[in-house]
Amino acid sequence: EPEVTQTPSHQVTQMGQEVILRCVPISNHLYFYWYRQILGQKVEFLVSFYNNEISEKSEIFDDQFSVERPDGSNFTLKIRSTKLEDSAMYFCASSGDRINQPQHFGDGTRLSIL
Amino acid sequence: AQTVTQSQPEMSVQEAETVTLSCTYDTSESDYYLFWYKQPPSRQMILVIRQEAYKQQNATENRFSVNFQKAAKSFSLKISDSQLGDAAMYFCAYRSRAGGADGLTFGKGTHLIIQP
Repeated sequence: EPEVTQTPSHQVTQMGQEVILRCVPISNHLYFYWYRQILGQKVEFLVSFYNNEISEKSEIFDDQFSVERPDGSNFTLKIRSTKLEDSAMYFCASSGDRINQPQHFGDGTRLSIL
Repeated sequence: AQTVTQSQPEMSVQEAETVTLSCTYDTSESDYYLFWYKQPPSRQMILVIRQEAYKQQNATENRFSVNFQKAAKSFSLKISDSQLGDAAMYFCAYRSRAGGADGLTFGKGTHLIIQP
């Protein structure tokens, strides 16, 4: 069964550095998402992406964050000038359409900011 | 904005028994989806079951079923014949269907423990 894959599984970064989290959505999916889960807290929506542009973003997704689909397969989340509070699990998800198909999640990337 | 509430931080059940996880939500919309996701220690979020709000019939997937009470805005998950592999965090989630938000709104989760 097709899966969403995320790399790396764990990323350790010094505070203030930039980090790029990578995702390969399911190949025929058109909608892509990033979520964040701070340890012990609920999963929070960050951003959705469709047709090479942001479809929707939450108030968490400020100027520090950006997303990109640099080629036909990858979907990336860039965090500039990381802060300690950016430490979290970041999940990528994809779906075939916006309404009727469920979102399928990757295994997540654990981001640790030192 | 929609909110999802899971009032049980932790539940414990004996293997082979039945357990029900509670979820309530708040919305002004009439058309939406509700989901239960499972997150085992491996951390992957796995879709367990989905319910469309316009369908009165409760969704069922093998040992998993829901009790969807639209008027009460309640969406509980029943796991029958619990197995050790069911141990995980379970998240209830809401998604608008008709022109609403793209992202899922999650509850805080219920940690399900299966006792052998």
